[in-house]
This record gives sequence, C-alpha cells and structure tokens, in this order.
Amino acid sequence: KAGVTQTPRYLIKTRGQQVTLSCSPISGHRSVSWYQQTPGQGLQFLFEYFSETQRNKGNFPGRFSGRQFSNSRSEMNVSTLELGDSALYLCASSPTQQGYNEQFFGPGTRLTVL
Amino acid sequence: AQSVTQLGSHVSVSEGALVLLRCNYSSSVPPYLFWYVQYPNQGLQLLLKYTTGATLVKGINGFEAEFKKSETSFHLTKPSAHMSDAAEYFCAVTTQGGGNKITFGTGTQLKVEL
Repeated sequence: KAGVTQTPRYLIKTRGQQVTLSCSPISGHRSVSWYQQTPGQGLQFLFEYFSETQRNKGNFPGRFSGRQFSNSRSEMNVSTLELGDSALYLCASSPTQQGYNEQFFGPGTRLTVL
Repeated sequence: AQSVTQLGSHVSVSEGALVLLRCNYSSSVPPYLFWYVQYPNQGLQLLLKYTTGATLVKGINGFEAEFKKSETSFHLTKPSAHMSDAAEYFCAVTTQGGGNKITFGTGTQLKVEL
C-alpha cells in the first residue's frame, strides 16, 4: 500500500506570494490533517478534513486555508506569505476521525519564504 | 484542553544502555497517548500508542511505554539503545471526541554514542 505523498517536497517563495501544498492520503483513508513544524514552535496542528469537511481547526490566521476533494486528496493554501511561515508542513492521514487511530505522516513539504 | 510536556530536549545515551524519555500529559478527559519518532528529513512514524486496557504497551523496535494515570505520565523506554535509535521523539495526545487533532510535545532529540 502506498504511503502518504506530499508535493512538492521543497518550495521557495518570497514574501507576499501565495502557495498551495498537496497531500494524497493512503488509499481508503478519509481523514487528512495538516501540521506545521518549526524549530521554535514545534509541531502545531493546522486543520483536519474528513469527508470534504473541515472538522477541526488550530490557532492559525485566516491566511492558512485548506480543502479536501471527493477522492480524499487535500490541499493547503497559504496566502500573503510571511517570513515566519517558513516551516516543514506535514500531512497525516487516518482511516477514521476516531482519535485513537494511528495517523500516517507524509515526508512533508519544506517551505522557505525569502 | 490537553497538553504534553517532555522533559529534556536532548538525551544522550551509550549504545547498549537504557533509554528513558519522559512525558507527562494534561487532559480533562481520558487521553489517547502516542509516541512518534522522526528521522532526519522524514515524516513521523508511530512507535506505540495507549488507548484503553493494558497500561504497558509495546511498540516497534523494542520500545515500550507505561501509562500511569496517577502520575499523568507516559514515559518511553528501551532496554538497550542502538545507534539506529538516534532520532527525535515526540510524545502526543488526543482525546475522545477530539477527532484527529494531535497535541505534540516539544520533542526529545536522542543521541546514541559508541
């Protein structure tokens, strides 16, 4: 079974631009969550999508948004990029919305904002 | 609300020595507890989890952890460290009804020396 895939793996943008990151979950998984990982703040939850609906949201500004498609693939968008948005963005998939299930993480997209 | 505290951002052990990584949690409802490992330039991989039932849980690569409700702890141990165990380890918590929103600890970097 293929794992969680994220594209692109690396991205360089400049301040003020916007960016879209993509995540393809494991086949059959309907929940996709996004996390931001930085040296200063660690791993922080962005949002979770299940069956094309946002089910949970973390404490991030409205510049961060996401969506999920009918095939469970998810995209995350960050508008008006700031230097502080430089981070590793991780996507995780799970078969259900039950918190006791293992979440399977992708390798991440490393975003650098110049 | 839930939170996780990992004591010691860096732990160094000799190969063959006991590995002990400490984790304390805070949750107003029964928690689901996890340990994830992250190798350089990779996503996170689940080592083990506690949901209900037996409080001593065994995971992959010889790791185990014990859920102690009275101490609100979920420390990770391995009897004998191997060089390949060098990585960053994250303790994490979710709760019933909280979906897949994971709250992570700040991580412990494990170094294994010859």
